[in-house]
Amino acid sequence: DAKTTQPDSMESTEGETVHLPCSHATISGNEYIYWYRQVPLQGPEYVTHGLQQNTTNSMAFLAIASDRKSSTLILPHVSLRDAAVYHCILRAQGTGSKLSFGKGAKLTVSP
Amino acid sequence: GALVYQYPRRTICKSGTSMRMECQAVGFQATSVAWYRQSPQKTFELIALSTVNSAIKYEQNFTQEKFPISHPNLSFSSMTVLNAYLEDRGLYLCGARETGGNQAPLFGEGTRLSVL
Repeated sequence: DAKTTQPDSMESTEGETVHLPCSHATISGNEYIYWYRQVPLQGPEYVTHGLQQNTTNSMAFLAIASDRKSSTLILPHVSLRDAAVYHCILRAQGTGSKLSFGKGAKLTVSP
Repeated sequence: GALVYQYPRRTICKSGTSMRMECQAVGFQATSVAWYRQSPQKTFELIALSTVNSAIKYEQNFTQEKFPISHPNLSFSSMTVLNAYLEDRGLYLCGARETGGNQAPLFGEGTRLSVL
């Protein structure tokens, strides 16, 4: 019973700005939106998270819809190192480090 | 900065034997630690959630008898896979965070278990 929906895969070219969508129509008021990425043979790497306001850090910009039912992870000027499976996950306050991973979206970056 | 280390990174064990893996948090207090298994088919399974000074909560299909977990302090946790068989193969991941704040759970690189 996945609570988020992402495309299976997306393709991009180096230097492009990539928009990774995530739908979470049944999100609860106390659930944060987390994004992680994972490359083969390594653990998930934290990218960003937000509750209601858009957030930005050195890795990405997270745009959250005003109704919070969807969000978009924006990766500016992607490089080959950004190729990974990106996971959009909801985590409720008080659930510790428990996260429910789905299949994620595989981002391919071409030279 | 805050980091999570897992070791060993890779291990091979004979069918029916046991394997212990460790998780070390650096730069923050790992109040909550979750252990996951990522299968060769890439799906994630939550094994258990451990919070210091609280009982460890195992998910359905995972038991303490098979995957005993220790979380003795705010920087360390270990898990053992007892009587490992082929279906126990996979990447075992430790995710930790400090509760009470807005910190995101951080993951180690994982321990890759192969069973012969």
